[in-house]
Amino acid sequence: GESVGLHLPTLSVQEGDNSIINCAYSNSASDYFIWYKQESGKGPQFIIDIRSNMDKRQGQRVTVLLNKTVKHLSLQIAATQPGDSAVYFCAENGATSYDKVIFGPGTSLSVIP
Amino acid sequence: GAVVSQHPSWVICKSGTSVKIECRSLDFQATTMFWYRQFPKQSLMLMATSNEGSKATYEQGVEKDKFLINHASLTLSTLTVTSAHPEDSSFYICSARPFPGLAFYEQYFGPGTRLTVT
Repeated sequence: GESVGLHLPTLSVQEGDNSIINCAYSNSASDYFIWYKQESGKGPQFIIDIRSNMDKRQGQRVTVLLNKTVKHLSLQIAATQPGDSAVYFCAENGATSYDKVIFGPGTSLSVIP
Repeated sequence: GAVVSQHPSWVICKSGTSVKIECRSLDFQATTMFWYRQFPKQSLMLMATSNEGSKATYEQGVEKDKFLINHASLTLSTLTVTSAHPEDSSFYICSARPFPGLAFYEQYFGPGTRLTVT
């Protein structure tokens, strides 16, 4: 099946600091990108999405930046809280089927109290 | 709203037996459901796309005869792992796309099913 990567980078952040999680995506033709949060033993939870015709989108305490030139996506979390500790995945629509969502390798965020 | 459940949440089975996992959309209808597999510390790998009333579409490398998918109603899809082996041990996650939905890529994930084959 389609998947991207076998590694799980980790990021440790002090509580209250801002977190930046990066993602390199593979398909230059992808039209939409989504960030998901997955807590241990649970399914992914939608955080925020962005379409390819945008370069920035803000939500509550989160901001997603899209740089299509270098195929790079980032998720910024403001004032990181212990409850933000989880694995974060970026995802893009599939190269072979427009409505499928293909997950990136993920980043484990650990918030230090 | 938009709750997806999976049953069972975890299961242990002996090698060679079959296991059925259910995925239900509790408060919405889903013409399309997706099945993913996730190994420890790895990403979600899409296994197949399940469409209500039709055959599932499997991703390359996924054995359709081993992973049987049935999507008999607008709220239920099942994944049956046939003749399970220890290498099938994994976290299986389903997602459901609401119909009608807000965006064509909108989907809600179930809590996952931990399968251990001994």
